[in-house]
Amino acid sequence: NAGVTQTPKFQVLKTGQSMTLQCAQDMNHEYMSWYRQDPGMGLRLIHYSVGAGITDQGEVPNGYNVSRSTTEDFPLRLLSAAPSQTSVYFCASSWAPSGGVNEQFFGPGTRLTVL
Amino acid sequence: GQQLNQSPQSMFIQEGEDVSMNCTSSSIFNTWLWYKQDPGEGPVLLIALYKAGELTSNGRLTAQFGITRKDSFLNISASIPSDVGIYFCAGRKETSGSRLTFGEGTQLTVNP
Repeated sequence: NAGVTQTPKFQVLKTGQSMTLQCAQDMNHEYMSWYRQDPGMGLRLIHYSVGAGITDQGEVPNGYNVSRSTTEDFPLRLLSAAPSQTSVYFCASSWAPSGGVNEQFFGPGTRLTVL
Repeated sequence: GQQLNQSPQSMFIQEGEDVSMNCTSSSIFNTWLWYKQDPGEGPVLLIALYKAGELTSNGRLTAQFGITRKDSFLNISASIPSDVGIYFCAGRKETSGSRLTFGEGTQLTVNP
């Protein structure tokens, strides 16, 4: 298994540009989520999904859209990038939507710079 | 906003020393997780705790689920240079499904 994969690894955007960060997992996990990591602030939840066709907002959803058309993929879209979105983005997945053993497995991250 | 207080924020220790860090909250959690993040990588799960009072070890690492369910502790014994990284605690509430709340991280530096 490849686990959780993310592309691209690095990206530089200009203010106002749009882009999609890709995330895929091959573990048949139901739960997937996107976090951003900023210095001194830990990991903050952007959006999450408890299964295909279902998404919900996390702690910092503004400026980001998601969709979950398949179990495997959970792309994160920036419609109009802003410098405040410069960050490291992590995708994570886990087994069950609630209860039980549900440790989240993380991808390697995408380092995004918005100029 | 952030609901987990993780301390210390950073630690500088000598190889061979023991390390302790902790997470506290005003809320009750029913799962505590400890992750380690190496530079340029995603967090990797170290230890998972599911019951109040639980004490679990993974090699030189030992973590405990606080009896009040509002805190957790991670100890690293006999540190080595490869222990360098950022350690995160994460908690899951009974009412939050799979959603995790993360602490701000403890940056560990080990001097050879």
